Amino acid sequence: AQSVTQLDSHVSVSEGTPVLLRCNYSSSYSPSLFWYVQHPNKGLQLLLKYTSAATLVKGINGFEAEFKKSETSFHLTKPSAHMSDAAEYFCVVRGLTGGGNKLTFGTGTQLKVEL
Amino acid sequence: GAVVSQHPSRVICKSGTSVKIECRSLDFQATTMFWYRQFPKQSLMLMATSNEGSKATYEQGVEKDKFLINHASLTLSTLTVTSAHPEDSSFYICSANRASLQETQYFGPGTRLLVL
Repeated sequence: AQSVTQLDSHVSVSEGTPVLLRCNYSSSYSPSLFWYVQHPNKGLQLLLKYTSAATLVKGINGFEAEFKKSETSFHLTKPSAHMSDAAEYFCVVRGLTGGGNKLTFGTGTQLKVEL
Repeated sequence: GAVVSQHPSRVICKSGTSVKIECRSLDFQATTMFWYRQFPKQSLMLMATSNEGSKATYEQGVEKDKFLINHASLTLSTLTVTSAHPEDSSFYICSANRASLQETQYFGPGTRLLVL
């Protein structure tokens, strides 16, 4: 079975400062990992995904994440936060069971961006 | 591309009634659709996986007779909450796979159900 742990339920940063949202995964095989963002009253939007290609993955809106097998981590970063980045972020792992595409979500990290 | 819609966006119903939620892939064919449930300030929990033309696969603990799923076409899946009770009140979200890009799921905006 696979799982993800998001280490922080809430993160608060000032606008213009770096963002770090932490995620650790557990999997018995090489996983596919995703970061999704959920803005209030909007659907989940895919930020980026890792599927065993380059370990540094660049996504939309300036976000990126690095897959580190030795640390079983897939932390999400952004050099400079913007007010519009305030949202809920989910780290997700894709499993091989359930037809090959079952997603397991982390508990989410609420990002707050202050002026 | 890859837009998924849900209807209705919000619904309020009386206890004991049934509610149908539609999930549509607007610009692609979805071989597989998924239904999730999200409680306030919690993560998404997969309820069931449906493939077009076949019976849905339910996750452990999800009552298949209470949450009826129909995937009649490659662009439409429906979730019917039968004999709804207040504890069924939640945010229901669907997602869909493109046939050509299996590893990415595209999510709908969700349906908020309130059972009085």
